[in-house]
Amino acid sequence: QQQVKQSPQSLIVQKGGIPIINCAYENTAFDYFPWYQQFPGKGPALLIAIRPDVSEKKEGRFTISFNKSAKQFSLHIMDSQPGDSATYFCAASGTGNQFYFGTGTSLTVIP
Amino acid sequence: EPEVTQTPSHQVTQMGQEVILRCVPISNHLYFYWYRQILGQKVEFLVSFYNNEISEKSEIFDDQFSVERPDGSNFTLKIRSTKLEDSAMYFCASSEWQGNYGYTFGSGTRLTVV
Repeated sequence: QQQVKQSPQSLIVQKGGIPIINCAYENTAFDYFPWYQQFPGKGPALLIAIRPDVSEKKEGRFTISFNKSAKQFSLHIMDSQPGDSATYFCAASGTGNQFYFGTGTSLTVIP
Repeated sequence: EPEVTQTPSHQVTQMGQEVILRCVPISNHLYFYWYRQILGQKVEFLVSFYNNEISEKSEIFDDQFSVERPDGSNFTLKIRSTKLEDSAMYFCASSEWQGNYGYTFGSGTRLTVV
């Protein structure tokens, strides 16, 4: 059973564009939704995270939008830069210790 | 900034051989984890470890896998008899508190089983 579904699989935007990556989850017990950024050969690095008591969280150029009733959340990257080119994973967790990751989105920002 | 350190960065082993992947978690962290990522696929949870015992494990973490904290700093993942399908990136992570906050991942060990 896929706990977290992520789309699109890949995304290409021009510099300055606003890529949007979407995730949906099934388990209503999840209460923490992080986004991870991964560069080739590196481990996932926490980018931004949200809890379901808020609908939006912004940190710098990164914004998470959260829709609890639809069980969906998304990552928006404002003014995207070539250095943002990476794979982005959404994840979710509940009372346990483990994260359930989405399948990843490969983002390419063209200069 | 504190890091989770993993060694080796790449290991090649023959099918059927035992491998040990090593991790040094962040020093004040108490919770330790192993994840794996098969090439091009999502990151998958293997096991969590606290107070010298496994606190949670996934279906992937079968009898071929074991974890150990042999001393005060290292955290290891052992695969007893490797299979071709064990080829993956293995990530160690640690956190200060239980649950989902403050997870830090290492850079991973790429395991290639031939």
